[in-house]
Amino acid sequence: AQSVTQLGSHVSVSEGALVLLRCNYSSSVPPYLFWYVQYPNQGLQLLLKYTSAATLVKGINGFEAEFKKSETSFHLTKPSAHMSDAAEYFCAVRLGGSQGNLIFGKGTKLSVKP
Amino acid sequence: EADIYQTPRYLVIGTGKKITLECSQTMGHDKMYWYQQDPGMELHLIHYSYGVNSTEKGDLSSESTVSRIRTEHFPLTLESARPSHTSQYLCASELAGANTGELFFGEGSRLTVL
Repeated sequence: AQSVTQLGSHVSVSEGALVLLRCNYSSSVPPYLFWYVQYPNQGLQLLLKYTSAATLVKGINGFEAEFKKSETSFHLTKPSAHMSDAAEYFCAVRLGGSQGNLIFGKGTKLSVKP
Repeated sequence: EADIYQTPRYLVIGTGKKITLECSQTMGHDKMYWYQQDPGMELHLIHYSYGVNSTEKGDLSSESTVSRIRTEHFPLTLESARPSHTSQYLCASELAGANTGELFFGEGSRLTVL
């Protein structure tokens, strides 16, 4: 079975500090992995995705994530947090290869302090 | 910007009422999804569709039903709402065969059943 675990339901950082949101996956086959972001009162939008190409994936708004097979991890990072980054972030894995359905983690709410 | 719309955004109704949550997209996407979202929980897939006249149940059992008579329209219906149906419902669409993992989400319909 495939699943994702997001460590920490709530992360708080100061503006300008490093953002690190953790995601671990379990998968019996090479996974397709994604990060989505949800701003208040909005739907989710894709931040970045890993589909077995480069292990370091760059996304929108300065975010990036590194696929580490040995650690079964796909952590999301941003060098310097901005107030506008405050949102909820969801890690997701794709079932059944490239055409399967997405399974989402429970989400991590990021707060950014001035 | 994604062209997928959900109505109503907010709905408060009494127990036993029939409700329909509307979802429409203008991108010509074949695949459409309904997710249920509760605070601190994973997004749960409750229904999906590969195209017109195709509907499938997701991994979370739901008393709701869906239909797909037109490509652009994927409504979700509850015949008799109960307080346990209180939740946020997110609709999403995807271009079939695109192999991108990018789902486009609506802004959600927040349902409260009294």
